[in-house]
Amino acid sequence: GQQVMQIPQYQHVQEGEDFTTYCNSSTTLSNIQWYKQRPGGHPVFLIQLVKSGEVKKQKRLTFQFGEAKKNSSLHITATQTTDVGTYFCAGPAGATNKLIFGTGTLLAVQP
Amino acid sequence: KAGVTQTPRYLIKTRGQQVTLSCSPISGHRSVSWYQQTPGQGLQFLFEYFSETQRNKGNFPGRFSGRQFSNSRSEMNVSTLELGDSALYLCASSLVSYTGELFFGEGSRLTVL
Repeated sequence: GQQVMQIPQYQHVQEGEDFTTYCNSSTTLSNIQWYKQRPGGHPVFLIQLVKSGEVKKQKRLTFQFGEAKKNSSLHITATQTTDVGTYFCAGPAGATNKLIFGTGTLLAVQP
Repeated sequence: KAGVTQTPRYLIKTRGQQVTLSCSPISGHRSVSWYQQTPGQGLQFLFEYFSETQRNKGNFPGRFSGRQFSNSRSEMNVSTLELGDSALYLCASSLVSYTGELFFGEGSRLTVL
């Protein structure tokens, strides 16, 4: 079936280091969204990318949608402890347009 | 503007029982979707409702059902509970489509004993 994998599953960084998570879909996505879920919390929408090759920035966060619309990445520059949480990508896939969430990347930031 | 409200926040049931979870979307949002989150399976789409109609459904057994009322409030029901149904059930609302920006509630954590 349709799958959206994220790598890495877990990353531990020192505060100030950069972080990147990659999202790979087995099928083409019409758009991709990114969410952040703090420990014990609920997912919070970060951004949506629609166009092939699109790049968007939000302060220290840079989001990219692949040319083939099957992969995406989230890069955080100079991580802070407030960046701790699990980052999920999600996108509607296939003819049924069902929303599929990625497996998530848990980011731990050591001060 | 109030966010998405889910009730109850926590509940414990035993195998074979049924449970009903409630979700009140953000005012003006007509799309409500439901997700199951577990450590092993991650976030999985259950179903989406828009204007009282189910528009899309995930790959879950018929024990999982839902509905939406005219005021956009939604309920989901799980019958004949199994241990594997223990999870965080998240509701999300969206202005028009569940494939756009989703606003999640805090979830209902269900434990099945």
